[in-house]
Amino acid sequence: GAVVSQHPSWVICKSGTSVKIECRSLDFQATTMFWYRQFPKQSLMLMATSNEGSKATYEQGVEKDKFLINHASLTLSTLTVTSAHPEDSSFYICSARELRTSGSRGNEQFFGPGTRLTVL
Amino acid sequence: GEDVEQSLFLSVREGDSSVINCTYTDSSSTYLYWYKQEPGAGLQLLTYIFSNMDMKQDQRLTVLLNKKDKHLSLRIADTQTGDSAIYFCAESPGGQNFVFGPGTRLSVLP
Repeated sequence: GAVVSQHPSWVICKSGTSVKIECRSLDFQATTMFWYRQFPKQSLMLMATSNEGSKATYEQGVEKDKFLINHASLTLSTLTVTSAHPEDSSFYICSARELRTSGSRGNEQFFGPGTRLTVL
Repeated sequence: GEDVEQSLFLSVREGDSSVINCTYTDSSSTYLYWYKQEPGAGLQLLTYIFSNMDMKQDQRLTVLLNKKDKHLSLRIADTQTGDSAIYFCAESPGGQNFVFGPGTRLSVLP
C-alpha cells in the first residue's frame, strides 16, 4: 500500500529556533499534501493544504509566516516552524493524497506517522 | 459549517461488541472514513464507506450509514485488547480536505 514517512519522528528544540519537518510519499506521487496539528487528547486540526509547485493554502487562524510550507516535488513537502515557542509544542501529522482517476476509494489520503515537537 | 461529533469515551469487555457513533453535517461528502490512532502513533485507515451505501462489512468491522440523519457508526465484533485506541470519524466535504471528529477513546477491559 501507499506509505508516507515523516522525519524526524520526535524533535526537541529551544525556544526561538526553527524546526523543519519532512513529509515524503514513498511509493506514489502526491499532488496534494496536508498538514495537521494535534494537541494532546484532541482531534486533528487541518493547518494547510499544499499543492506541488504552488503556494500552500492556510486555514483560518494559522500564521503562514510562522508555519512555512514548501511542496517542491511530487514526493516531498516540508513544514518549517519558525521561531518556535512552547505553545507550538504539538504532534504534527502530514497526509498525502494519491490522485486516482478510477477505483472505489476516490482521492484517498494516506497519513504519516507524525512528528512530535517539544519546544523548551 | 462542517462539524463532526463523536462520543469521547467507550469501555467494553474483551469479547463484547463495540459500537462507536458519529454524526456529521456536510452532505457533500462522497466518502466517510474511520481511522484508528494508537498512542503516540499516526492514523491508520480502518475502513470507509461510500455515501450511497447503507452498510459495509469488513471482517470484524461493520459500518452503518444513515444518510438522512447524517449518522455513521462503527461496530467492532469480538473486541480485543489490541483494539484499544482512539477512533476518529472523518468526512471529506467536496472530496477535498478531511474534517475529523474529536475521537472516541476505546478501552477494552479484560
